[in-house]
This record gives sequence, C-alpha cells and structure tokens, in this order.
Amino acid sequence: RKEVEQDPGPFNVPEGATVAFNCTYSNSASQSFFWYRQDCRKEPKLLMSVYSSGNEDGRFTAQLNRASQYISLLIRDSKLSDSATYLCVFRGYQKVTFGTGTKLQVIP
Amino acid sequence: DAGVIQSPRHEVTEMGQEVTLRCKPISGHDYLFWYRQTMMRGLELLIYFNNNVPIDDSGMPEDRFSAKMPNASFSTLKIQPSEPRDSAVYFCASSNRLVIGYTFGSGTRLTVV
Repeated sequence: RKEVEQDPGPFNVPEGATVAFNCTYSNSASQSFFWYRQDCRKEPKLLMSVYSSGNEDGRFTAQLNRASQYISLLIRDSKLSDSATYLCVFRGYQKVTFGTGTKLQVIP
Repeated sequence: DAGVIQSPRHEVTEMGQEVTLRCKPISGHDYLFWYRQTMMRGLELLIYFNNNVPIDDSGMPEDRFSAKMPNASFSTLKIQPSEPRDSAVYFCASSNRLVIGYTFGSGTRLTVV
C-alpha cells in the first residue's frame, strides 16, 4: 500500500459548487496533517492544518479521521480562484510525506 | 521577510554538465528541505538538514546528487554529471518547530538536454 494515496483528478466543478477531496495514509505514526495548495508553475503554500476535531477557515473545512486513516478537505461555494492542485501532507517523527496532489478546476 | 530564496529560477544545461542549485532559508528556521517535483512522481523529499546537519538523505536518487549546508543561511544541491531524467522543478523549503508547515522557495526549473 502506498504511504499516501490521493485522487489526482481533475475535479471539474461549476462556480458555487461544493467539492471534497480525501487523502489516505498508511503510516499510523503520522502526527501532523496539512493541506497545501499549489498553483500552476508555483510553489506549494500552506492552506490549513488538519485536526481531529475538524477545523474551518471560511469556505474551507478540513477533517481528520484517525481510525480510517484519512484526511479530507471540503470547499464550499467554489470560486474560480480556487482552481489549483491540493496536496495532502503527513508529518511523522522525522519524516514528511506529500501526496501527489488533486487538481481542481472551477468552471464559470 | 524575504521568504526562502532560490537561484537560479531556470537552468538549462547539457547532459554531463555539473549543475548547482542554491537556497537561502528564512532567518531563524533551523530545518531546510530539498524537494524535487515531476509530473510522474509528484513532490519527493531528497534530503533535509537540521541545524546545518544532514538528517535524512535517503531520498537522494544516486551518487550524482550531493547537498551541503555550510551555514545557517545557505545550502546547495549539486548534480554531477547531470542527465535528462534529472529534469524537474527543485524546491527548497525551510521551517522550525515553532512554525506550522513549511515555506517553499519559488523553485528552480531544471532542464537537462
């Protein structure tokens, strides 16, 4: 089983839609979880951390399910500017693993 | 804060040539990471340093790759000799225990022809 599995997409959604991505991990020792956003030909940038209790930042909600070993990202009311690749990141003891990214394209 | 600074932004070189990529981390960050990104393999960790000391270089593809961090404000990634399959975007990132997440540089887009 791969350390991190993430659907590459692309997810093509209309403006205003709600879209969700999942990312599964195999290393149960993972301690910290993040979502990063990467625009085309740019560097990855931290979007938000992910906590067991779930956390929300405006239109974005992140969830962690330790029992099933996955994290999720929900985007409500999608904007054109949300078009990007979303990378899940898992940090364990002295090890960080990035997913390969899910591409989101928001269509007018 | 200038962020993580990488140079050059683009590098085109011929197979067999030596390539040196440079990185200046954010001041006060004691972790420095070198990543490589390709369409096929995504973002791969090559090596990371803590307090200028290499901690894990298991991601370095082969002996042609080497990385150094002579001081807290500078690191290099060298490929010698370069091959076409080394073509990728190479990112440097820095962090410390007090910071959530990593800050990436703008990357060096390497093309080996």
